[in-house]
Amino acid sequence: DAGVTQSPTHLIKTRGQQVTLRCSPKSGHDTVSWYQQALGQGPQFIFQYYEEEERQRGNFPDRFSGHQFPNYSSELNVNALLLGDSALYLCASSSLRRTGRDGYTFGSGTRLTVV
Amino acid sequence: AQSVTQLDSQVPVFEEAPVELRCNYSSSVSVYLFWYVQYPNQGLQLLLKYLSGSTLVKGINGFEAEFNKSQTSFHLRKPSVHISDTAEYFCAVSEISTGGFKTIFGAGTRLFVKA
Repeated sequence: DAGVTQSPTHLIKTRGQQVTLRCSPKSGHDTVSWYQQALGQGPQFIFQYYEEEERQRGNFPDRFSGHQFPNYSSELNVNALLLGDSALYLCASSSLRRTGRDGYTFGSGTRLTVV
Repeated sequence: AQSVTQLDSQVPVFEEAPVELRCNYSSSVSVYLFWYVQYPNQGLQLLLKYLSGSTLVKGINGFEAEFNKSQTSFHLRKPSVHISDTAEYFCAVSEISTGGFKTIFGAGTRLFVKA
């Protein structure tokens, strides 16, 4: 049973560029949450997708946007990249029916470096 | 609004000694509480969770945690640590809200087990 798959594992972008990160949730999960983890810090909640809609959002600017597809996979898009966007981006899947009782299954993350 | 405070950023301990990692939270509603572990260059893995009932919960790898409602704490303990327990540990609070649930993480505690 595959867990959460994220791609790519690493990438380097230039300031001002745009980036798309991808996530496939664990089989049986229908909800995808995205987190940003800066070096030495805890994960910061970006947003959560369920039924192809953004259901919850953290304190991130509109440069951060997302999408969820009918097969529950998800994308995170970041426009106009800043140096401060350099971080590990984590995808976490869960079942909304369980309302968080099971916790998350995390992917290994995408390490984004902005130069 | 939810918040999570991990009181120690780093905890050095000798192998086979006991350890306690402290976590306090605040929330205006009932919450679920979690501890996750993160090994270098990996995503987070669920250690244990508190949903309701018995205030002492047991998790994987010999860890346990105690929920204290009056002190709004959820401290993680292990009676005897191993070198392999060296990792970053995150306390998390999940709060059900309109449209779903939202999980907030603490800043993390780095456990360093010395031989």
